[in-house]
Amino acid sequence: AQTVTQSQPEMSVQEAETVTLSCTYDTSESNYYLFWYKQPPSRQMILVIRQEAYKQQNATENRFSVNFQKAAKSFSLKISDSQLGDTAMYFCAFAPRDDKIIFGKGTRLHILP
Amino acid sequence: NAGVTQTPKFQVLKTGQSMTLQCAQDMNHEYMSWYRQDPGMGLRLIHYSVGAGITDQGEVPNGYNVSRSTTEDFPLRLLSAAPSQTSVYFCASSLGPPMNTEAFFGQGTRLTVV
Repeated sequence: AQTVTQSQPEMSVQEAETVTLSCTYDTSESNYYLFWYKQPPSRQMILVIRQEAYKQQNATENRFSVNFQKAAKSFSLKISDSQLGDTAMYFCAFAPRDDKIIFGKGTRLHILP
Repeated sequence: NAGVTQTPKFQVLKTGQSMTLQCAQDMNHEYMSWYRQDPGMGLRLIHYSVGAGITDQGEVPNGYNVSRSTTEDFPLRLLSAAPSQTSVYFCASSLGPPMNTEAFFGQGTRLTVV
């Protein structure tokens, strides 16, 4: 079975600090996509960053970057210079060759003033 | 540009009642999906569709029906609501397979079954 595991149910950091959210996944596929989605209190699901498995270079979007370790099946999200608006639930997700996205259970991130 | 529109945003049902959650997208996306979000469980796939006339089951399909008569619409039907179906429901669409294209989500429907 293909699964996504987020081992940190909840985290808190001070504003302006850097925080890393962990994600591991299990698959026998060689080609797939990985995602981090943000869900603020508004409930809207927002794509933060996307990584193609066959690309070794880690994806970056402004203050958000990933550490993709394909052999270890690890896909962590780093948020630099964290802001109050980063407070949200963060979901790691995985899309293998079929037509589905598999989500982790989420990490609730609190940015403290 | 409306994107993915879900209606209603909130709904309370009595056990045994039936209802349809509506989902419409105006981006001409082929792929559409329904997820439910429960505390501590993340998002779980209920049903999905890769195009008009084609649907398939996801991880948790029991108690739900779908149909895809048009590209734009993908309604989710609860045949006989149960308290276990209390959840937040999300509809998503993408131009192609989620592997290759970005998925866009609706605002969600919070359903309570009493």
